[in-house]
Amino acid sequence: GNSVTQMEGPVTLSEEAFLTINCTYTATGYPSLFWYVQYPGEGLQLLLKATKADDKGSNKGFEATYRKETTSFHLEKGSVQVSDSAVYFCALSDRAGGFKTIFGAGTRLFVKA
Amino acid sequence: DTGVSQNPRHKITKRGQNVTFRCDPISEHNRLYWYRQTLGQGPEFLTYFQNEAQLEKSRLLSDRFSAERPKGSFSTLEIQRTEQGDSAMYLCASSPRTGVNTEAFFGQGTRLTVV
Repeated sequence: GNSVTQMEGPVTLSEEAFLTINCTYTATGYPSLFWYVQYPGEGLQLLLKATKADDKGSNKGFEATYRKETTSFHLEKGSVQVSDSAVYFCALSDRAGGFKTIFGAGTRLFVKA
Repeated sequence: DTGVSQNPRHKITKRGQNVTFRCDPISEHNRLYWYRQTLGQGPEFLTYFQNEAQLEKSRLLSDRFSAERPKGSFSTLEIQRTEQGDSAMYLCASSPRTGVNTEAFFGQGTRLTVV
């Protein structure tokens, strides 16, 4: 079945540091890939998505590229801010899975001033 | 549109009691999903509706759990004879049918505490 594996946290960075959160997936079909973010006390929000191989999703300075050959969708940001502190979830959905979203376990990011 | 709405936001119940949660999806979204999220984990899929039809149920959804979407609009999730292990955040999400692999929009969730 479909699954998502992402790097364990917490990740602690200083402001303006470079961020990478690794994510790999297993899927029987041709999934769409997502990064969701959950800020403290808030609900899940879509951060970015990519629907086919080599697509790059981007939003708020975050980027992730759909790599079919390595089944990866790593999240990157060149310069993090304290306000980026949150839990980040890598996820996928596809027709073979009934379009339900399958999530990774989440990676907590702390950014220090 | 105000997004996916869930009620109540918090529920504390005694073990053995029944609870019911409500989800109002985004208008005209015909797909509706229920998830459960425990501390430190990602959301786990419970069940999925397309319009009023319940198309898939996870093995996580024991016989004590039942979900309905009677008119293809709002949905309810009922847990009978609650157990302490049911304590979690219950999330609802919806997505439109148009297009393939469109993202799901999540509500704020209902936090259940079983004491």
